[in-house]
Amino acid sequence: AQSVTQPDIHITVSEGASLELRCNYSYGATPYLFWYVQSPGQGLQLLLKYFSGDTLVQGIKGFEAEFKRSQSSFNLRKPSVHWSDAAEYFCAVGAGAGTALIFGKGTTLSVSS
Amino acid sequence: DAMVIQNPRYQVTQFGKPVTLSCSQTLNHNVMYWYQQKSSQAPKLLFHYYDKDFNNEADTPDNFQSRRPNTSFCFLDIRSPGLGDAAMYLCATSRAGGEQFFGPGTRLTVL
Repeated sequence: AQSVTQPDIHITVSEGASLELRCNYSYGATPYLFWYVQSPGQGLQLLLKYFSGDTLVQGIKGFEAEFKRSQSSFNLRKPSVHWSDAAEYFCAVGAGAGTALIFGKGTTLSVSS
Repeated sequence: DAMVIQNPRYQVTQFGKPVTLSCSQTLNHNVMYWYQQKSSQAPKLLFHYYDKDFNNEADTPDNFQSRRPNTSFCFLDIRSPGLGDAAMYLCATSRAGGEQFFGPGTRLTVL
């Protein structure tokens, strides 16, 4: 069955420190992978996506993610976190571009000063 | 700016009283989705339209219905809301070959 696992429910990072949010997926074929961010009471904003090609993808707001097929992972990274990055982060997998998404349960990021 | 719009942003209804949530888009995308997101949970797909073709998820309750009268608009109808239907309802759109763009959501409260 298709699934997405985000092992970390809540992460706290100091402002200016680096960040890595983990995502593991289970999928029978080549997945389409996404990271979304959600601020409280808001909709989801796409940070980045992987469809094919270069396994290191760059997104908005200084985020990047690396697709590792051997580890079934698509971890999100940012070299220096800003207080405004505090939000809920969701990893998602789809069968193809334009198909329904399966989301992980999310990771809440808190940023301390 | 092209976008996905949801109205209202907040909706309060009474137990058992039908309610309709609205989604419109200016992106001219042919696929539209409705997700339900309960507090502190991941969004869960209820159904989606590929053009006029309706695709219902197997575990979506019959209480939830949808209409798409044209490319731009899609509605979510909850025929008899229960307390367990209180959630954020997210609309999303995509082209057949692209990623999903989400609206800001409608938070539904059931009294």
